[in-house]
Amino acid sequence: DTAVSQTPKYLVTQMGNDKSIKCEQNLGHDTMYWYKQDSKKFLKIMFSYNNKELIINETVPNRFSPKSPDKAHLNLHINSLELGDSAVYFCASSQEFRQGGNSPLHFGNGTRLTVT
Amino acid sequence: KQEVTQIPAALSVPEGENLVLNCSFTDSAIYNLQWFRQDPGKGLTSLLLIQSSQREQTSGRLNASLDKSSGRSTLYIAASQPGDSATYLCAVKDYKLSFGAGTTVTVRA
Repeated sequence: DTAVSQTPKYLVTQMGNDKSIKCEQNLGHDTMYWYKQDSKKFLKIMFSYNNKELIINETVPNRFSPKSPDKAHLNLHINSLELGDSAVYFCASSQEFRQGGNSPLHFGNGTRLTVT
Repeated sequence: KQEVTQIPAALSVPEGENLVLNCSFTDSAIYNLQWFRQDPGKGLTSLLLIQSSQREQTSGRLNASLDKSSGRSTLYIAASQPGDSATYLCAVKDYKLSFGAGTTVTVRA
């Protein structure tokens, strides 16, 4: 069984459109994340939710809106897509978030978003 | 602001050779350091997690060391195999996890 699953795997869309990426984890983890990996392969955190509560919001444009209906799901909605949004978006989860926590992250396989 | 650097960016070795991957970070106030493996078109797989109070962690052919005071970690992979070909990323955790750009490893059969 896939631990962290995200859909779709590929997403090709035009500038100005609105799209969503879904993520689900079956690990029973409390914390979920969205990361963006750019063309230079740098992974940067976008958001983190702990028990459906927003914990981290890293200077992401407000066109990006995460939604966590329950602690097993964290979806990412993107409005008015721009060329620069093209990247691979990864969902991840961990057991707990607390500052000194040492739980490893579990990643999904990524969604490759291409904006044309 | 935490910055994580990995050197080299790419590495190609013949099968059987030991691999040494380096990671450095600028702020030593971290809770842990993690090493991940990323295969093309796939997500990241956690390999080792070293807590800030630890000096090293081992798992099978993998050994990772941490020198927090100097801001360095090294991942050793013994007796490399073609299946070890992947991109290896290190990440350090303060209030968030900050990643390096990775080292892409090719092990030639």
